[in-house]
Amino acid sequence: EVQLVQSGAEVKKPGESLKISCQSSGYRFTGYWIGWLRQKPGKGLEWMGIIYPDDSDTRYSPSFQGQVTISADKSTSTAYLQWTSLKASDSAMYYCLLGLEYWGQGTLVAVSS
Amino acid sequence: QSALTQPPSASGTPGQRVTISCSGSSSNIGTNYVSWHQQLPGAAPKLLIRRDDQRPSGVPGRFSGSKSGTSASLAISGLRSEDEADYYCAAWDDSLRGPVFGGGTKLTVL
Repeated sequence: EVQLVQSGAEVKKPGESLKISCQSSGYRFTGYWIGWLRQKPGKGLEWMGIIYPDDSDTRYSPSFQGQVTISADKSTSTAYLQWTSLKASDSAMYYCLLGLEYWGQGTLVAVSS
Repeated sequence: QSALTQPPSASGTPGQRVTISCSGSSSNIGTNYVSWHQQLPGAAPKLLIRRDDQRPSGVPGRFSGSKSGTSASLAISGLRSEDEADYYCAAWDDSLRGPVFGGGTKLTVL
């Protein structure tokens, strides 16, 4: 059974760094892309970027290019989404997505002073 | 603005059939599979339809997908109160070299 398990909710201050994770199981990790999406309260899904774990080829939505970093660790079948300096506007729910089929449960990120 | 266009809302009464449209372009829906995702209130999205019209195991037969040209549709027959949710279409885009999503359709069961 394919499963994507995301790390827990985070509460951070503006300017802090953060790395959230999405651990995969039940399939060949290097065989499919994993993407990250943002959802703000009451809003739709925004695609942020994807990574092909096999060669770490990464593509970002223009809206998120330079704002976040997506990475993957083949040894642990885990994908990551990272910020170096959070802003209040980064407060949202973040989902990982395998191909266009399997979703993680979401990670809530709250950024507030 | 989303790459795929969906109506922001749809509604129906219990037992009715409703359809939700999704319009794209030749670089996404026109050449790649469409998937549909259901997001119940307070929950993560889940796959409803894959590869235009295939239902994953566990998805009721009341849900069906279709595609023609650069548009796709999700149909829900025998509408039930538990179908009240947000529905998103998605497809790979060859120009962007990434996935694209619709803005979502909020389905209300009256």
